[in-house]
Amino acid sequence: DAGVIQSPRHEVTEMGQEVTLRCKPISGHDYLFWYRQTMMRGLELLIYFNNNVPIDDSGMPEDRFSAKMPNASFSTLKIQPSEPRDSAVYFCASSLGTSKANTGELFFGEGSRLTVL
Amino acid sequence: GNSVTQMEGPVTLSEEAFLTINCTYTATGYPSLFWYVQYPGEGLQLLLKATKADDKGSNKGFEATYRKETTSFHLEKGSVQVSDSAVYFCALLSGSARQLTFGSGTQLTVLP
Repeated sequence: DAGVIQSPRHEVTEMGQEVTLRCKPISGHDYLFWYRQTMMRGLELLIYFNNNVPIDDSGMPEDRFSAKMPNASFSTLKIQPSEPRDSAVYFCASSLGTSKANTGELFFGEGSRLTVL
Repeated sequence: GNSVTQMEGPVTLSEEAFLTINCTYTATGYPSLFWYVQYPGEGLQLLLKATKADDKGSNKGFEATYRKETTSFHLEKGSVQVSDSAVYFCALLSGSARQLTFGSGTQLTVLP
């Protein structure tokens, strides 16, 4: 079975450019999470969706960040305009929930390493 | 609020040494507890979990016991291998929460 698929694996861009990161969750999973990982701040939850609906975006750093999930098999995280401090590894994860809650068993993609010069 | 505290790393051990990585938590209600592992260049993956007090999660020689009285979920392995070198994250899921609370991670390096 295919796991969570993220693209691109690596992205190098210049400050001010738009960056779009993509994620395909595991088929049948109803939760999707976007995380950011840096040495300084560790693992941070940015936003998560349940059944394609954004549930909590309180971790999104600022208005430059936006995320969408137009259908159950695709999500994007967009940064516009990008800044050097956005350099990090961005992970997408999906999970299968119960009727009321996430099970906590997350499946992570391999990450997208973003470098903003 | 919910929080997870892990022992600070990095931890460096020789092959076949005994491993303990401490994890304590603060949570409302009765959380489920998890250990995730991140190998170099990869995403996190679930290592083991426990859903109620006194449960023991185990996988790949690793074990952790859910101790409600001490609010702890320490990770142990009797004999580590070089291939166990990774970052280990303790996490909890509390009540009807739909997102995990992660600890800061502990870097483990095992030397041959």
